[in-house]
Amino acid sequence: NAGVTQTPKFRILKIGQSMTLQCTQDMNHNYMYWYRQDPGMGLKLIYYSVGAGITDKGEVPNGYNVSRSTTEDFPLRLELAAPSQTSVYFCASSPWAMGNTIYFGEGSWLTVV
Amino acid sequence: QQPVQSPQAVILREGEDAVINCSSSKALYSVHWYRQKHGEAPVFLMILLKGGEQKGHDKISASFNEKKQQSSLYLTASQLSYSGTYFCGTELRAGGTSYGKLTFGQGTILTVHP
Repeated sequence: NAGVTQTPKFRILKIGQSMTLQCTQDMNHNYMYWYRQDPGMGLKLIYYSVGAGITDKGEVPNGYNVSRSTTEDFPLRLELAAPSQTSVYFCASSPWAMGNTIYFGEGSWLTVV
Repeated sequence: QQPVQSPQAVILREGEDAVINCSSSKALYSVHWYRQKHGEAPVFLMILLKGGEQKGHDKISASFNEKKQQSSLYLTASQLSYSGTYFCGTELRAGGTSYGKLTFGQGTILTVHP
């Protein structure tokens, strides 16, 4: 059972570089999310999507972009990486909204130096 | 608005009980509970829904007071494997759908010693 798969697991970026975190789910879920978690803190929502072609901002969207061309994939793009983007990034999915289990990927550890 | 969890940390011996609380200033549709071990993804424990429905784990119980917008997670007869950080995630009862978006508390660190 693959579930939600994120790549890469670890990455070091230099300030100003750009990169894309990949997220794929094989559960045919409509809803997908990107969260970030800073050390010792809870998760904060970056972007979410309610279906292919539909995305919207979460609590902390600045410095990030997303796209959702298929139900399965929800990549997160970091443009002009900054040290403040050093964090653990979790992709998640849910079959539908309101009161459903949200399934998390294993996380991507990103360090910006 | 981020929900507030209490206590911030709990230290137990195996077999002891613990209660972790989660409080919100907003009207909630559901409260989700997760446990996270260091360096790992959050693991789903339980959902409590407006109206009293619960979905979740056999060995863990929880309550949701809709009037006070508070939830409590009850860990009984704790085991070493219960150690980790516990997060509540709240889903708002908005006019339309919340799209499943969760706002997470700051976490409660639970340590269980032999």
